[in-house]
Amino acid sequence: GAVVSQHPSWVICKSGTSVKIECRSLDFQATTMFWYRQFPKQSLMLMATSNEGSKATYEQGVEKDKFLINHASLTLSTLTVTSAHPEDSSFYICSARGPGPSNQPQHFGDGTRLSIL
Amino acid sequence: KNEVEQSPQNLTAQEGEFITINCSYSVGISALHWLQQHPGGGIVSLFMLSSGKKKHGRLIATINIQEKHSSLHITASHPRDSAVYICAVSLDYNTDKLIFGTGTRLQVFP
Repeated sequence: GAVVSQHPSWVICKSGTSVKIECRSLDFQATTMFWYRQFPKQSLMLMATSNEGSKATYEQGVEKDKFLINHASLTLSTLTVTSAHPEDSSFYICSARGPGPSNQPQHFGDGTRLSIL
Repeated sequence: KNEVEQSPQNLTAQEGEFITINCSYSVGISALHWLQQHPGGGIVSLFMLSSGKKKHGRLIATINIQEKHSSLHITASHPRDSAVYICAVSLDYNTDKLIFGTGTRLQVFP
């Protein structure tokens, strides 16, 4: 089945640093990738949708200058949390879908647990 | 009121029991998804359905479009089924966007 690899799986860093999270589709072309954030005991919240070669579409309330998304190839999207602060600590998870109709399953990565000290 | 609601929030069962998790939604959808989130956080897509019923192994998912309701059933439950089960819907006007329920935490004891 379709595999999405997310790296790193967890990261701890100091306040003020920038953190990059990678999301790769290993065996299919991910024309669209999605970035979600999940706080403890809460449901996933979509942050942004990115199409390969285009600017990401951010959900209301998500700062695009804070959460930089790049989807430069059909197999890789990155999320960079710039100048991270403790309130950015969360579980970030990506998903991807292949070409064709948009109404098809999304394939999820294993997530990245981010802790900002 | 959340657009996607699940019940129960928490569920414990003995190994071998038949389990049902319910999902109700209040928006127009193009499809409904059942996802499984493991304790480490990784998510697996179990089903995507827009009508009727689907079966995969011990898992069965049904949907009633008129009643805006779906159920996920697990037959002969096993401790390895312990996870959070999440219902999500694809909106009819934006099929890429998923709206998630808050999940049902299932623990199956041996």
